[in-house]
Amino acid sequence: DAGVTQSPTHLIKTRGQQVTLRCSPKSGHDTVSWYQQALGQGPQFIFQYYEEEERQRGNFPDRFSGHQFPNYSSELNVNALLLGDSALYLCASSRGQGEDTQYFGPGTRLTVL
Amino acid sequence: AQSVTQLGSHVSVSEGALVLLRCNYSSSVPPYLFWYVQYPNQGLQLLLKYTSAATLVKGINGFEAEFKKSETSFHLTKPSAHMSDAAEYFCAVSDPLNDYKLSFGAGTTVTVRA
Repeated sequence: DAGVTQSPTHLIKTRGQQVTLRCSPKSGHDTVSWYQQALGQGPQFIFQYYEEEERQRGNFPDRFSGHQFPNYSSELNVNALLLGDSALYLCASSRGQGEDTQYFGPGTRLTVL
Repeated sequence: AQSVTQLGSHVSVSEGALVLLRCNYSSSVPPYLFWYVQYPNQGLQLLLKYTSAATLVKGINGFEAEFKKSETSFHLTKPSAHMSDAAEYFCAVSDPLNDYKLSFGAGTTVTVRA
């Protein structure tokens, strides 16, 4: 049973560029959540997608946007990259919109120069 | 809004000694509580979770945690540390009043001395 997968593993961008990160949920899961984990900190919730719609959002600017596809996979897009966007971006999947446990992928390490 | 405080950003223990990681939460309703572990350059792995059943929760790799409502705590313990326990540990709370949004503590790094 494949777990949560994310691509790419690492990414280097320059300020002002745009980036797209991808996530495939665990088999049987239909909800995807995205988190940003800055160095030395805990993960911070960005947003959650369920039934192809953004259902919840954390305290992140509109430069952060996402999408969920009919097969439940998801993308995170970040526009106009800032140095402060450098972080590990984690995707988590779960079943339904609610109390089910979230399972995390290995993350994408984004470095903005 | 719920929040999580992990006391101690770094814990160092000898191999074979007790591991104790502290977590306190703030909540107006009974939350769901989780402990995750993160090994270097990896994602988060679920160790255990509390969902209002038994207050003593057993997880993987010999870890357990006890939910104490009166103390608003959910401390993680392991009786005997192993070198492979060296990692970063995160306590998280899921808020029933906010669509179960997951909020994490800042993390505790565990080092194990031989």
